[in-house]
Amino acid sequence: KNQVEQSPQSLIILEGKNCTLQCNYTVSPFSNLRWYKQDTGRGPVSLTIMTFSENTKSNGRYTATLDADTKQSSLHITASQLSDSASYICVVSDADSNYQLIWGAGTKLIIKP
Amino acid sequence: KAGVTQTPRYLIKTRGQQVTLSCSPISGHRSVSWYQQTPGQGLQFLFEYFSETQRNKGNFPGRFSGRQFSNSRSEMNVSTLELGDSALYLCASSLVSPGAGANVLTFGAGSRLTVL
Repeated sequence: KNQVEQSPQSLIILEGKNCTLQCNYTVSPFSNLRWYKQDTGRGPVSLTIMTFSENTKSNGRYTATLDADTKQSSLHITASQLSDSASYICVVSDADSNYQLIWGAGTKLIIKP
Repeated sequence: KAGVTQTPRYLIKTRGQQVTLSCSPISGHRSVSWYQQTPGQGLQFLFEYFSETQRNKGNFPGRFSGRQFSNSRSEMNVSTLELGDSALYLCASSLVSPGAGANVLTFGAGSRLTVL
């Protein structure tokens, strides 16, 4: 069964610190992997989209990495800000299933001042 | 350009009633997807419409239905509401298949449904 698992489930860090969120998936073959940020009560917002041939992609203080061999991705947040408090969701596109998106449960990140 | 618009933003219904939610996609986007998100849960895929045709469907009972109009606007309907249907319902639009290539999926702010 195609799955996307994220860790940790939740994370609390101090403002200004860096953190890394993990995503492991079993979807194969996959077309692309995405990271979304979702503020509480709002719709998710796209951070990065990586195809299977890309290893890293940055969006400001957010850097996503992808290892297609081990089926792992990470999202690194540098110099965290209070506005980074949100859920971060990893999503994988299933190339065998009409590119259906398989969503992870998300990591809830809390930044404390 | 205008984003994805969902109406209503908030609504309260009682068990047994039915509800219709509306979604206007970004101009030019032909794909509309619907998701349910309950407190503390990830997004659960409901269905996706493209050019008025349902292309993908998630694992939800038949009480959940949807449709797409020729102008790409979409509606979803939930009949015989249950307490467990209380959730944030999110709509997302994209140019083509939401998962294909680098096609960006843009979400609306959601419709928060409370069933009493």
